[in-house]
Amino acid sequence: ETGVTQTPRHLVMGMTNKKSLKCEQHLGHNAMYWYKQSAKKPLELMFVYNFKEQTENNSVPSRFSPECPNSSHLFLHLHTLQPEDSALYLCASSQDVRGDSPLHFGNGTRLTVT
Amino acid sequence: AQSVTQLDSHVSVSEGTPVLLRCNYSSSYSPSLFWYVQHPNKGLQLLLKYTSAATLVKGINGFEAEFKKSETSFHLTKPSAHMSDAAEYFCVVSGGYSTLTFGKGTMLLVSP
Repeated sequence: ETGVTQTPRHLVMGMTNKKSLKCEQHLGHNAMYWYKQSAKKPLELMFVYNFKEQTENNSVPSRFSPECPNSSHLFLHLHTLQPEDSALYLCASSQDVRGDSPLHFGNGTRLTVT
Repeated sequence: AQSVTQLDSHVSVSEGTPVLLRCNYSSSYSPSLFWYVQHPNKGLQLLLKYTSAATLVKGINGFEAEFKKSETSFHLTKPSAHMSDAAEYFCVVSGGYSTLTFGKGTMLLVSP
């Protein structure tokens, strides 16, 4: 059973909609991440938060807006998305941002933009 | 700089036969290396990790991997495949405080 919970599991939205993805971790970790997983492409890091502070934004378009109110919760706010944004969005957490800290992933939100 | 190459996009084995998933890496630092597994409609799950201790690393579900610095490889093996091993496997490299670099994945197909 995963210690990282993502909701919703599936989301269909039009290009003019606004929606939010939610992630919660129950592992006492200090770092949280958003990744995008598209077919036939490597996992793409989007954002990193360490102790609620954003430490990395991997040149993500502004139509994706992250929010981290505390070390246990992470949101991804979506607006005016494009069809190419359809993908599996994975949240992950780790004890810290050192390279040897393994990531714990949620089951993802399958996003379809119509 | 760091990179990881998974040499096979698909590997097919029969149930009960050995599994070998190949991974080569490059890193400017002493690397940390990981293998993750992803079953359909699930997130990634850590199988095992190497962080400069023993070069042969044992993971969950009978998997193990050997770190070979001279070959810059970190291949994943299992003596006997099970149907439940069918999934996608990702090799990951990291150095120091850098973010993780994921391979493109190897899909393991297990036939009865």
